[in-house]
Amino acid sequence: DAGVIQSPRHEVTEMGQEVTLRCKPISGHDYLFWYRQTMMRGLELLIYFNNNVPIDDSGMPEDRFSAKMPNASFSTLKIQPSEPRDSAVYFCASSLTPKESSPLHFGNGTRLTVT
Amino acid sequence: AQSVAQPEDQVKVAEGNPLTVKCTYSVSGNPYLFWYVQYPNRGLQFLLKYITGDNLVKGSYGFEAEFNKSQTSFHLKKPSALVSDSALYFCAVRGGGSYIPTFGRGTSLIVHP
Repeated sequence: DAGVIQSPRHEVTEMGQEVTLRCKPISGHDYLFWYRQTMMRGLELLIYFNNNVPIDDSGMPEDRFSAKMPNASFSTLKIQPSEPRDSAVYFCASSLTPKESSPLHFGNGTRLTVT
Repeated sequence: AQSVAQPEDQVKVAEGNPLTVKCTYSVSGNPYLFWYVQYPNRGLQFLLKYITGDNLVKGSYGFEAEFNKSQTSFHLKKPSALVSDSALYFCAVRGGGSYIPTFGRGTSLIVHP
């Protein structure tokens, strides 16, 4: 099992550019989560999907952020246009069936720097 | 609503000494409690969980956690710390019918030789 795979590991871009972060969840997991981690705010849940359907996107900070899950093995988080305050580490996580005792499995994250 | 508090931003211990990382929670109904560890430039890794039953839960890398219902606490412990245990530790809670875990702010554990 390769675990949750995220790409790229690092992304440096200029303000105003579009950024796309990618995630491949663990096969068979039907929940997928996108988190953002910063020193100031800690770990924030942005959005989560169940069976490829977005369930709660209330954590998405602005309309500049969008996420999709076109199939069970792939999800994207897009920021357009990007701003310096979007600089953070973005994590994708997946989980098994909707049981409250199921732990999350995290990818190694994408470190985004917007200059 | 559910919440988690990790009252210490940082815990320092000497190698070989016991360590405790504190966590308290608030949730309606029965809690499902988790500890995760994050090493530098890595994602969070699951360490252990409490669902029901024995209040002392054993997990990976020699860690254990003690569930205390009356104090609504779930402290992480290890009898003898290693320098390699130095990392960021997160407590998380699920419950009250919510599938979404709430994470604490994290505690930085520093184990010095």
